[in-house]
Amino acid sequence: EAGVAQSPRYKIIEKRQSVAFWCNPISGHATLYWYQQILGQGPKLLIQFQNNGVVDDSQLPKDRFSAERLKGVDSTLKIQPAKLEDSAVYLCASSHWGGRNTEAFFGQGTRLTVV
Amino acid sequence: DQQVKQNSPSLSVQEGRISILNCDYTNSMFDYFLWYKKYPAEGPTFLISISSIKDKNEDGRFTVFLNKSAKHLSLHIVPSQPGDSAVYFCAAPQGEGSQGNLIFGKGTKLSVKP
Repeated sequence: EAGVAQSPRYKIIEKRQSVAFWCNPISGHATLYWYQQILGQGPKLLIQFQNNGVVDDSQLPKDRFSAERLKGVDSTLKIQPAKLEDSAVYLCASSHWGGRNTEAFFGQGTRLTVV
Repeated sequence: DQQVKQNSPSLSVQEGRISILNCDYTNSMFDYFLWYKKYPAEGPTFLISISSIKDKNEDGRFTVFLNKSAKHLSLHIVPSQPGDSAVYFCAAPQGEGSQGNLIFGKGTKLSVKP
């Protein structure tokens, strides 16, 4: 079974520029998550999708971050304009929709550096 | 306000000995806890979990203990191996449904020395 695919692996941009990350979840997984992991911290959930609908985006900085999952499969996360504090690893995860023992699988992440 | 706390940023143990990683939580509504393992340049991978109705769950060399009255859980690795060197995150699901909507601790970096 193929894992969660993310691209690009690394991205360096200047502040105020825009950037987009792509995620392709495990086939058949209805639920998709985007996390932000700042150096020295644990991952923090930005947004959760169930198929193409948003379940939780309470921690997404909506003035600069946006995410979509138009066809209920792959997803993009965009930052516009980027700030220095957005430097982090952006992780995508996916799972079936189910109970607490339904495992979530993470991709390798995209490391963003804003200079 | 951190709801899941890992107060030890790092831990170093000798190969073959026991590794004990600790985690505290503040939200008494949490009903499930997970440990994830993360190698550099990789995403976190699920290691072991425990429901709040249990006080112990064991999987091979890995055992998680839960003390609800103290709001504390710990991960024991016995015996520790060099391949266990990684960052370990404690996490708890929030909201309904599957595990993926998680609150993570800051992680503990485990180094197992040969």
